[in-house]
Amino acid sequence: AQKITQTQPGMFVQEKEAVTLDCTYDTSDPSYGLFWYKQPSSGEMIFLIYQGSYDQQNATEGRYSLNFQKARKSANLVISASQLGDSAMYFCAMREPGLGQGAQKLVFGQGTRLTINP
Amino acid sequence: KAGVTQTPRYLIKTRGQQVTLSCSPISGHRSVSWYQQTPGQGLQFLFEYFSETQRNKGNFPGRFSGRQFSNSRSEMNVSTLELGDSALYLCASSLDGPTDTQYFGPGTRLTVL
Repeated sequence: AQKITQTQPGMFVQEKEAVTLDCTYDTSDPSYGLFWYKQPSSGEMIFLIYQGSYDQQNATEGRYSLNFQKARKSANLVISASQLGDSAMYFCAMREPGLGQGAQKLVFGQGTRLTINP
Repeated sequence: KAGVTQTPRYLIKTRGQQVTLSCSPISGHRSVSWYQQTPGQGLQFLFEYFSETQRNKGNFPGRFSGRQFSNSRSEMNVSTLELGDSALYLCASSLDGPTDTQYFGPGTRLTVL
């Protein structure tokens, strides 16, 4: 079974600093997709960034970038110039491969609670 | 374009009752997935519907069921509620490509007393 591991239960960062949230994954399938979501205290899961296993370049979306190291099976999220509004839970997820074309099932890590201090 | 909507946002039920949650996907999205989030188990996949058919199912008892209508709206039903069913239930919708992103709704917070 596919597995996602986030080893940092909580992180505290000063405003305007960069922060890296760790994510490692385990799959034997060569084709997979990795996602990062942000969950504020309101509960809604907000999509941040996607990385496909065959993508040649690391994904970037504004202040978010993904440090994708395929050989190490890691997909760390980097947030540059952190803001107070970045305080939230962050989840790494993988679309479970092998389910067929288009089939959607995400496997999530346990999450990292990020707190940005002023 | 409007996002994923879920109703109701909050529910309080008692053990033994049943509950129905509703999800309206983003316009044009045909896949709807449901997830349960609890402090102990984290986020767990319940099931996915596409074109009114259940395409994938997670490891939940038969008390959890769902359906999808022709307009892609989906409902999930939990019968004979147990205390452990208290959770945030999240619905997500997506297009049908292998790299498509799932977009989540605000969730329904169910409390079972």
